[in-house]
Amino acid sequence: EPEVTQTPSHQVTQMGQEVILRCVPISNHLYFYWYRQILGQKVEFLVSFYNNEISEKSEIFDDQFSVERPDGSNFTLKIRSTKLEDSAMYFCASSDLGADPEQYFGPGTRLTVT
Amino acid sequence: AQSVTQLGSHVSVSEGALVLLRCNYSSSVPPYLFWYVQYPNQGLQLLLKYTSAATLVKGINGFEAEFKKSETSFHLTKPSAHMSDAAEYFCAVTKNTGNQFYFGTGTSLTVIP
Repeated sequence: EPEVTQTPSHQVTQMGQEVILRCVPISNHLYFYWYRQILGQKVEFLVSFYNNEISEKSEIFDDQFSVERPDGSNFTLKIRSTKLEDSAMYFCASSDLGADPEQYFGPGTRLTVT
Repeated sequence: AQSVTQLGSHVSVSEGALVLLRCNYSSSVPPYLFWYVQYPNQGLQLLLKYTSAATLVKGINGFEAEFKKSETSFHLTKPSAHMSDAAEYFCAVTKNTGNQFYFGTGTSLTVIP
């Protein structure tokens, strides 16, 4: 069964460093998303991406964040200068173009900023 | 705008007892509703979804949920709890394909032997 994959599973970085989180969405999907979950809290939407551009973003997704689809298979989230409060689980998701809005979530990348 | 409210951040049931996790939604358009389960240090696994077909939806692991428009609810139930059901459960709503999901704050289910 096709699935969304994410790498790395755990990333530790120092405050102020740049990190890139990688995702491989399901191959025939056209919508891509990033969500985050701070420990013990709910899952929050960051950004959605369609047709090579951002289609929707939340207040959390400020200038420190960017997304890119560098090739036909990868979808990345870059945090330019990490802060302690960026420590969270980051989930990538993808969905098809059609009547079913289900989003398929990856296993997540746990980002720890020290 | 859409939102989801999950009443009860912690629910405890005895093994074999009925599980009822509550979810109420707010949506300006007909919603699509989802329940996800998250085991410790793992990702989100889809339990079931309502996409405007049958109002009673059956999912994996014996769970089901009923969409009640008049009550703006989508409560999750399971007739008989199993120890392996202990996890965090999230309700989510979206308005259409390609739109963001809005998640509830989650309900932690504990199953007592």
